[in-house]
Amino acid sequence: DAGVTQSPTHLIKTRGQQVTLRCSPKSGHDTVSWYQQALGQGPQFIFQYYEEEERQRGNFPDRFSGHQFPNYSSELNVNALLLGDSALYLCASSGDSFTGELFFGEGSRLTVL
Amino acid sequence: QKEVEQDPGPLSVPEGAIVSLNCTYSNSAFQYFMWYRQYSRKGPELLMYTYSSGNKEDGRFTAQVDKSSKYISLFIRDSQPSDSATYLCAMRGAGGTSYGKLTFGQGTILTVHP
Repeated sequence: DAGVTQSPTHLIKTRGQQVTLRCSPKSGHDTVSWYQQALGQGPQFIFQYYEEEERQRGNFPDRFSGHQFPNYSSELNVNALLLGDSALYLCASSGDSFTGELFFGEGSRLTVL
Repeated sequence: QKEVEQDPGPLSVPEGAIVSLNCTYSNSAFQYFMWYRQYSRKGPELLMYTYSSGNKEDGRFTAQVDKSSKYISLFIRDSQPSDSATYLCAMRGAGGTSYGKLTFGQGTILTVHP
């Protein structure tokens, strides 16, 4: 059973560019959450998608947007990249369980030059 | 002030030592508490999950929650070199919409040397 998979694993962009990160949730999971983890910090919640709708959003600007597809996979888009957007972007999926346990992927490491 | 404060460490201990990791929080709405372990270049993996105040034990790991003091701890007994990782506390509110929205501490880097 494949866990959460993310692509690409690493990428380098320059300021002002746009980036798209992709996530496939764990089999059977229908909810996807995205987190940003800066170096030396804990992950910060960006937003959550359920039934192809953004259900919750953290304190991130509109430059950060997302999408969820009918097969539950998801994309994170970041426009007008800033140096401060350099981070590890983590996708987490969850299913219908009492605990709502999140399963994380290994992340996409974005470097903005 | 951050909602969740975690002792940043780093911690370096000899093999076999007891390790204590701690977080404090300010948001009374937090009802569920978790500890994640993150190895270098990997995503976080869930270690412990607790709801009520008190202790929860799983093998060498014990999670402790004191809601009245807004304080949680993770104890690792008989620490092993394979425990070397970053440990993250995380917490969330109640309700289905809170499931995916965790608030994390900044993490503590633990090194267990043989």
